[in-house]
Amino acid sequence: GAVVSQHPSWVICKSGTSVKIECRSLDFQATTMFWYRQFPKQSLMLMATSNEGSKATYEQGVEKDKFLINHASLTLSTLTVTSAHPEDSSFYICSAKLLVAGVYNEQFFGPGTRLTVL
Amino acid sequence: AQSVTQLDSHVSVSEGTPVLLRCNYSSSYSPSLFWYVQHPNKGLQLLLKYTSAATLVKGINGFEAEFKKSETSFHLTKPSAHMSDAAEYFCVVSYSRGGATNKLIFGTGTLLAVQP
Repeated sequence: GAVVSQHPSWVICKSGTSVKIECRSLDFQATTMFWYRQFPKQSLMLMATSNEGSKATYEQGVEKDKFLINHASLTLSTLTVTSAHPEDSSFYICSAKLLVAGVYNEQFFGPGTRLTVL
Repeated sequence: AQSVTQLDSHVSVSEGTPVLLRCNYSSSYSPSLFWYVQHPNKGLQLLLKYTSAATLVKGINGFEAEFKKSETSFHLTKPSAHMSDAAEYFCVVSYSRGGATNKLIFGTGTLLAVQP
């Protein structure tokens, strides 16, 4: 149980185009989903926290108008990289927090989406 | 502020020998600590977690870690390395304050190589 999927697993796009990445919790409902970015040989950096039905909370330095997050349901969050540029090329990883009353809410991670912007 | 320091960026061991991956944390609050493993082109997998229960935590695949508050450490160990253990390992701290959503703060990672 507690499986998180991401789609697509990899994408190549031209500079200036927009790319949408989906994150789904397949067998549980997630109150909160998180989006991370991982540059080559570096650690994961939290970009934003997404709560179902409300606006995402972005970390300092992350442009909310560039990285649009929509969390329309308890099982789906999307990240849209608008007007992508080569410096946006990275590995984007989402996680979903399992809603279990009274128990520490563990995060489950998706397999990641590798974005390459030409 | 919360932070995590992984003291070694690369560790190389021989198959069958012990593994030690070091992690120190800094936290103003009672932390929850985790170790995650990331195999190439795969998602992060939780190895084990400490959430203020027993200080010696046993995880999957024979890994364990000991929470030492006096040393602010949470080192990951395994008695005998296997080739399949070769991967990137992340030490992670989480905290919640005032009902705020738990955030995970990742260390910089340790790449474990296992030699035959």
